Amino acid sequence: AAGVIQSPRHLIKEKRETATLKCYPIPRHDTVYWYQQGPGQDPQFLISFYEKMQSDKGSIPDRFSAQQFSDYHSELNMSSLELGDSALYFCASSSSHRVTYEQYFGPGTRLTVT
Amino acid sequence: AQSVTQLDSQVPVFEEAPVELRCNYSSSVSVYLFWYVQYPNQGLQLLLKYLSGSTLVKGINGFEAEFNKSQTSFHLRKPSVHISDTAEYFCAVSGFGNEKLTFGTGTRLTIIP
Repeated sequence: AAGVIQSPRHLIKEKRETATLKCYPIPRHDTVYWYQQGPGQDPQFLISFYEKMQSDKGSIPDRFSAQQFSDYHSELNMSSLELGDSALYFCASSSSHRVTYEQYFGPGTRLTVT
Repeated sequence: AQSVTQLDSQVPVFEEAPVELRCNYSSSVSVYLFWYVQYPNQGLQLLLKYLSGSTLVKGINGFEAEFNKSQTSFHLRKPSVHISDTAEYFCAVSGFGNEKLTFGTGTRLTIIP
């Protein structure tokens, strides 16, 4: 079965640079979520999209922005990177048409800011 | 708003012994409950979920959990653990509908040979 795809899997950036993380949800899933997991921490919700519209927003810095495109893939744009942005970024997808509302997670993008 | 408390940050268990990982949640509304497992350097995999109905839910890899509304708990259990169960386990809660997950701080399960 198709899973959530995230790219790149690893990314190394310097402070003040920008980064773009991509997420391709499972086919026919209309909802995408982004989570950030710092070292030794639990995943924290950043933002979600339903049918290409932002549906919820968590503790996402103003330096970050995201969108969901017409093909339902999503991109997380991060600017003016700081050392504290080093983390594992997960994308998850779900279908609003399924009553389980189960979120399927991608493998994550590990961002290292030096 | 919802919150999740995992009381044990680390749980060492001998191989083939039973284990229980504790999870308590707080919410002013009804919720869905989940347990996810994260193996080293990997993503999150769903172990099991409670949506409604029977309070005892069975998941993958021989795990099960019991929802207790009066105690607001959703403890995870396995009767006999294996070395391969070594991982980080996260309890999570979401509201009804396509809502975000709120995770607990995780429990690191270490299996002792």
